[in-house]
Amino acid sequence: QSALTQPASVSGSPGQSITISCTGTNSDVGGYNYVSWYQQHPGKAPKLMIYEVSYRPSGVSNRFSGSKSGNTASLTISGLQTEDEADYYCSSYTSTSPYVFGTGTKVTVV
Amino acid sequence: EVQLLESGGGLVQPGGSLRLSCAASGFTFSNYGMTWVRQTPGKGLAWVATISASGANTYYADSVKGRFTISRDNSKNTVHLQMNSLRAADTALYYCAKDLRLYGDPTSPFDPWGQGTLVTVSS
Repeated sequence: QSALTQPASVSGSPGQSITISCTGTNSDVGGYNYVSWYQQHPGKAPKLMIYEVSYRPSGVSNRFSGSKSGNTASLTISGLQTEDEADYYCSSYTSTSPYVFGTGTKVTVV
Repeated sequence: EVQLLESGGGLVQPGGSLRLSCAASGFTFSNYGMTWVRQTPGKGLAWVATISASGANTYYADSVKGRFTISRDNSKNTVHLQMNSLRAADTALYYCAKDLRLYGDPTSPFDPWGQGTLVTVSS
C-alpha cells in the first residue's frame, strides 16, 4: 500500500488560510469517508485534528476543517496562528491495509 | 485523563527480537481497539498493527506480517508488540494509540497517542 501524497511544505502568514491536500486512489481516499488528519509538533506525539473527512474531536479549534473531492482530501487551517506551525499527516482507511498515512506536510507560519 | 505509556524499546542486533508494551489508563481498556504506529527518525508515520477490543481480530502492515505479533491483556490494560527477525528498516519510534470510537472497527482513527518508545536495529 503506497503512502498518500501530500505536498512537502505549505506556508502562510498569520491570519491567512492555508489548505493541505492529500491524494490517494479509489481504494482509499476516494472509496471511503474515513479520512483523518493528525498534527505533530517537533518531539511530540501526533494529535487527531479531523476524522471521517470533516469531523473535529472535542477540543480542536474550529479553525481546522476538512473536506474531500474524489480521490483528494483537504485540510484547511483558517486564521493561521504561530502555534499551527507543525507537521500534518492525513490517513485513510483502505480496502487492503486497512490504514495508510500520507507523506506529511510541514506547515510554516512566516 | 487517558494515558498511554510505551516501554520496551532499545538497541537490538539484526535478526533479534524485542517486545514492546503499552500500559493504558484513564479509560475502559477492554472497550477499545489499540494500534501501533511507527515513525522513522525525521520521516513520516507508518501504520504497523491493530488489535480489536476483544483481541479476536488483528491486522498487520505487509512489511511486518509474519514477523510481528500484536496482543493484549485486558486484565492488565496492556497491549504488546512482539517483534522478531528485526531488520535495520524497523528502526523507528514506535507509538501506541487508542481507537477514537468505542468498539471501533478498523476504520477508527487514533486518539490519543502515547509518547513513543525508540527501537534501534543495528550491529
